[in-house]
Amino acid sequence: EIVMTQSPATLSVSPGERATLSCRASQSVSTNLAWYQQKPGQAPRLLISGASTRATGIPARFSGSGSGTEFTLTISSLQSEDFAVYYCQQNNNWPLTFGQGTKLEIK
Amino acid sequence: EVQLVESGGGLVQPGGSLRLSCVASGFTFSSYWMSWVRQAPGRGLEWVANIKQDGSEKYYVDSVKGRLTVSRDNAKNLLYLQMNSLRAEDTALYYCARGIGGGTTWGYWGQGTLVTVSS
Repeated sequence: EIVMTQSPATLSVSPGERATLSCRASQSVSTNLAWYQQKPGQAPRLLISGASTRATGIPARFSGSGSGTEFTLTISSLQSEDFAVYYCQQNNNWPLTFGQGTKLEIK
Repeated sequence: EVQLVESGGGLVQPGGSLRLSCVASGFTFSSYWMSWVRQAPGRGLEWVANIKQDGSEKYYVDSVKGRLTVSRDNAKNLLYLQMNSLRAEDTALYYCARGIGGGTTWGYWGQGTLVTVSS
């Protein structure tokens, strides 16, 4: 099983600032990596697929990068609606696995 | 518009059974892999099961193998999760999800159905 490790567990950032979230895979997943955003009481929302491709309707302030075992989600200028929990997920191997999540909170 | 609506959740005793359903609309159901993903209260996301378009391939997370079974009825646009020998650790919100394109990156999610396993 590929273990996905996200860091930090909690990130405190002020609105308008940049946020950088990390995700590490225990073995290479190539670019088969997605990022999701989840707000309380809501289903997850796909942000990024293929490590770097924004999903339909996702603002350009969200960007993904990386390949192999190291990945990054960057939110360039935080808006109030961006404060949420973010998960990475690999779909390179069965079983499909998620990271434990990073909670992005307002500083 | 793609819609996924789950049902069938509820309170069940340990060792009991439950069948979850997910009705799909707004797309050609028979053309997509479908998935179940769960989230225990206050916890992260966990993939549970996947089923190929024609039901010929199924994959499960190890913790549910032999107890949970995914199936589908393409004529009725329905996805199922038969849950047997339920344990307290199966307590979670269960989401039905569909991938974008042909894959297992989930662009579409239902709102979930809550399963609580408790005596």
